[in-house]
Amino acid sequence: GAVVSQHPSWVICKSGTSVKIECRSLDFQATTMFWYRQFPKQSLMLMATSNEGSKATYEQGVEKDKFLINHASLTLSTLTVTSAHPEDSSFYICSGRIGNSPLHFGNGTRLTVT
Amino acid sequence: AQSVTQPDIHITVSEGASLELRCNYSYGATPYLFWYVQSPGQGLQLLLKYFSGDTLVQGIKGFEAEFKRSQSSFNLRKPSVHWSDAAEYFCAGYGGATNKLIFGTGTLLAVQP
Repeated sequence: GAVVSQHPSWVICKSGTSVKIECRSLDFQATTMFWYRQFPKQSLMLMATSNEGSKATYEQGVEKDKFLINHASLTLSTLTVTSAHPEDSSFYICSGRIGNSPLHFGNGTRLTVT
Repeated sequence: AQSVTQPDIHITVSEGASLELRCNYSYGATPYLFWYVQSPGQGLQLLLKYFSGDTLVQGIKGFEAEFKRSQSSFNLRKPSVHWSDAAEYFCAGYGGATNKLIFGTGTLLAVQP
């Protein structure tokens, strides 16, 4: 149980375009979803926290106008990277949680901006 | 500040040998602690968690971890490593005034035949 599905698993886009990443909790309702970013050979850095029906809370240094997060329902959160640039290339991972339960992670999305 | 530290960036063990991966935390109160494993290009899989109670917790794939308050540690152990255990391991925690899960920098485990 507690499966989080993330789509797409990888995407290549041109500089200046926008990319949307979906994160779905398949068998539970995630009251809170988290978006992480992971650079090669580095740890996961929290980008933002979102609660269903409310605005996301962004970590310091994360541009909220660039990384748009929408948590429209208890089973779906989306991250849109707007006007992507090569420095946005990274591995993005979402996770969902109910209350204080452990985070359940998606399989990540490898974004490459050319 | 709240933090999770993994002192070892890279560890190599022989197949069949025992394994211990170190994790130290810094929180005002007892945090919730987790160990995750990540294979290359993949998401994270939860190995085990500690919330309270018994300080020795059992996880999946034969892993266990022991919470030691006096040492602010939550080390991961496995008595006999298999080649398929080669991966990156992350210790993580949250607690106190925040519900944000903070990750350590990870330990990359290599297994020699």
